[in-house]
Amino acid sequence: AQSVTQLDSHVSVSEGTPVLLRCNYSSSYSPSLFWYVQHPNKGLQLLLKYTSAATLVKGINGFEAEFKKSETSFHLTKPSAHMSDAAEYFCVVRRAADYKLSFGAGTTVTVRA
Amino acid sequence: SQTIHQWPATLVQPVGSPLSLECTVEGTSNPNLYWYRQAAGRGLQLLFYSVGIGQISSEVPQNLSASRPQDRQFILSSKKLLLSDSGFYLCAWRFGTAFGEQYFGPGTRLTVT
Repeated sequence: AQSVTQLDSHVSVSEGTPVLLRCNYSSSYSPSLFWYVQHPNKGLQLLLKYTSAATLVKGINGFEAEFKKSETSFHLTKPSAHMSDAAEYFCVVRRAADYKLSFGAGTTVTVRA
Repeated sequence: SQTIHQWPATLVQPVGSPLSLECTVEGTSNPNLYWYRQAAGRGLQLLFYSVGIGQISSEVPQNLSASRPQDRQFILSSKKLLLSDSGFYLCAWRFGTAFGEQYFGPGTRLTVT
């Protein structure tokens, strides 16, 4: 079965500093992985997706993620945090058998001025 | 481009009252459609999914039901709401791509009093 574990429930950064959100996955085959962002009382927005075409994936709003098979990780980064990045972030893996999504528990990002 | 709509945006209903939440997708045909619930502190839970008109699969037994009367319309219903039905309800769609990402609507905040 495919699953993801987000290693931090909460991350706090200062505006202008880098952001790192950690995600490990479990899958017996090459997975499809995604990062979504959710602002308060809003729907989930797809930030980026890994589909085995390239290990470094660039997404929207300056985010990128690197797929590392040897470490079973798919960490999300951004070089410089903006106040608007304050939100909850979900690491997600697609289940092989039925294309359903398995969500991580989420990481809440706080950005300090 | 594709757009997904949900209404109402917020809803306050008494225990025992009926419920109808609607989701529509524009700009695509024959999408896979999904209903999720996001309860406080419990992450996203898949409730129902549909691969076509009249085809509904339930993920968990509960007080809710779903219907798909038209290709791009997905309805979540209940005959009698429970307090535990409170939460943030999200509709999502997926086209038949190989990667499996889903696109989420803006959500409906349901409070059962």
